[in-house]
Amino acid sequence: SQQGEEDPQALSIQEGENATMNCSYKTSINNLQWYRQNSGRGLVHLILIRSNEREKHSGRLRVTLDTSKKSSSLLITASRAADTASYFCATPGASGSARQLTFGSGTQLTVLP
Amino acid sequence: GAGVSQSPSNKVTEKGKDVELRCDPISGHTALYWYRQSLGQGLEFLIYFQGNSAPDKSGLPSDRFSAERTGGSVSTLTIQRTQQEDSAVYLCASSLDRGLNTEAFFGQGTRLTVV
Repeated sequence: SQQGEEDPQALSIQEGENATMNCSYKTSINNLQWYRQNSGRGLVHLILIRSNEREKHSGRLRVTLDTSKKSSSLLITASRAADTASYFCATPGASGSARQLTFGSGTQLTVLP
Repeated sequence: GAGVSQSPSNKVTEKGKDVELRCDPISGHTALYWYRQSLGQGLEFLIYFQGNSAPDKSGLPSDRFSAERTGGSVSTLTIQRTQQEDSAVYLCASSLDRGLNTEAFFGQGTRLTVV
């Protein structure tokens, strides 16, 4: 089963609105990472938040981490049509090798112009 | 190279044939991952290489799948006697692996279609 589970599976919003995606995980983690995927091809790393951090910002992205609830959220502010993509959370050390990255099932974000 | 390179970009093969997928990681990256992604699905872990350590093969779905990494650099994923359910995008990623707090860099993937 997936370590990370994103919620919702799909999200459709208007340009300019904020988009919030959530990720829940099961085991203890050292960090949690968010990735973006366009058109079913390579993933691009967006942001990494360590287990001792509660919030992190990068441009229009804001990530929160609540280790007590084993959950993280990714907020994209002032969304643009170009933000349309799938977004995945990933955690290392979920199973097998301590450094193996395990990905959730993703949230498909559609930003309508 | 500037990034992770995978070849071929697309591969169509007949059921029962063997295929080889290649991954050139970023120079100096000691960790290399293979993932599989079926249409509209998440990433399924296949195998992980870290330096000279024994690879973590726990994600390989059957003994038709194998992978090797020569000289700690280029990796080849081989699928023998391909089946239609093997059709997917195969993604390779590499990382510096400086402890756990490292990001993975992905190639553009190989889209495999078994007909």
